[in-house]
Amino acid sequence: AQSVTQLDSQVPVFEEAPVELRCNYSSSVSVYLFWYVQYPNQGLQLLLKYLSGSTLVKGINGFEAEFNKSQTSFHLRKPSVHISDTAEYFCAVSSGGYNKLIFGAGTRLAVHP
Amino acid sequence: DGGITQSPKYLFRKEGQNVTLSCEQNLNHDAMYWYRQDPGQGLRLIYYSQIVNDFQKGDIAEGYSVSREKKESFPLTVTSAQKNPTAFYLCASSAGQASHEQYFGPGTRLTVT
Repeated sequence: AQSVTQLDSQVPVFEEAPVELRCNYSSSVSVYLFWYVQYPNQGLQLLLKYLSGSTLVKGINGFEAEFNKSQTSFHLRKPSVHISDTAEYFCAVSSGGYNKLIFGAGTRLAVHP
Repeated sequence: DGGITQSPKYLFRKEGQNVTLSCEQNLNHDAMYWYRQDPGQGLRLIYYSQIVNDFQKGDIAEGYSVSREKKESFPLTVTSAQKNPTAFYLCASSAGQASHEQYFGPGTRLTVT
């Protein structure tokens, strides 16, 4: 069975500092990986996805993630965060087909001035 | 504008009453999904539908029911059998088997007292 572990439930950071949100997955088959962002009382918005090809994936709002197959990780990074990046971030994995997504528990990013 | 709409945004019910949450999409997507979100637990799949007049149970289907009579609509009924119905409910859709990403609606927050 697939599973996703987000290693930090909360990440506080100062504005303009770099940030990394960690995600590890387990799966016995090929996977597709996603990061979503959720602002308070809203739905989820796709930040970026890894389907195949280059292991470094760039997304919206200056975020990027690196797929590491040997470490089964898909960490999300941003070199300089803004107050507006304060939100909950979810890592998700799918094995394809009708793409049932398995979500991690989420990481709450709090950017402080 | 193309997208997914969920109504209402907030819903209050008394214990013992059934309640139906609406989800409509105009993206012409084949597949639709219902998730439940509780604090600190990420998203859990309730039901999904790959095609009209067909749907499958997800990981936490007990106490819920769905229908898929039209491609654009996938309503969720929270029945009185659901022991802990208070949660944030999210609807999503995807283009089908060849598509790997899901698009989410804004969510409905259900409070049962």
